[in-house]
Amino acid sequence: QQQVKQSPQSLIVQKGGISIINCAYENTAFDYFPWYQQFPGKGPALLIAIRPDVSEKKEGRFTISFNKSAKQFSLHIMDSQPGDSATYFCAPFYSGAGSYQLTFGKGTKLSVIP
Amino acid sequence: NAGVTQTPKFRILKIGQSMTLQCTQDMNHNYMYWYRQDPGMGLKLIYYSVGAGITDKGEVPNGYNVSRSTTEDFPLRLELAAPSQTSVYFCASSASGLAGGGEQFFGPGTRLTVL
Repeated sequence: QQQVKQSPQSLIVQKGGISIINCAYENTAFDYFPWYQQFPGKGPALLIAIRPDVSEKKEGRFTISFNKSAKQFSLHIMDSQPGDSATYFCAPFYSGAGSYQLTFGKGTKLSVIP
Repeated sequence: NAGVTQTPKFRILKIGQSMTLQCTQDMNHNYMYWYRQDPGMGLKLIYYSVGAGITDKGEVPNGYNVSRSTTEDFPLRLELAAPSQTSVYFCASSASGLAGGGEQFFGPGTRLTVL
């Protein structure tokens, strides 16, 4: 059973365009929704995250939109730049009653072309 | 601060050999994690630790062992290496655990090949 479905698998965007990456999940108990950014040869780094009590969070050019009823959250990159070219992972998790569930999406490779 | 460091960066093992992947963090984080990342896949949690002397299994613990004798170090031991363990291994740490939503800081990874 696939807990987290991330799409698209790869994305090519012109410089200045908008990049949109989606993450659909099944476990309604997830209570933290982060996006990680990974450059080749490096470990992932937290980009932006959201809690389910808000529907949107914006940090600079990066925005998370959260739709609790649809069990989806998405990453929007405005004015995409070549330096944004990386692989992006959603990684929703749940914690409670001494247990937790952490699941990474399979990743989206973003290429921003000049 | 160096953050999270991992050694070695690359290693080739023969089937059946053993090795230890080292991980050290200098941020005084209580929580530490080991992940593996297979090509085209997300990260899968192998083991984690909530503090010195305390470890617990993640999603894919079989074939691995860990120990946490100090706050700084969290080595991952592979016993009887198998080709299925060919992967990139990442160590991470966080100030608060997953329950607190603490940001995880990742090391640069160790690329392991088992032939």
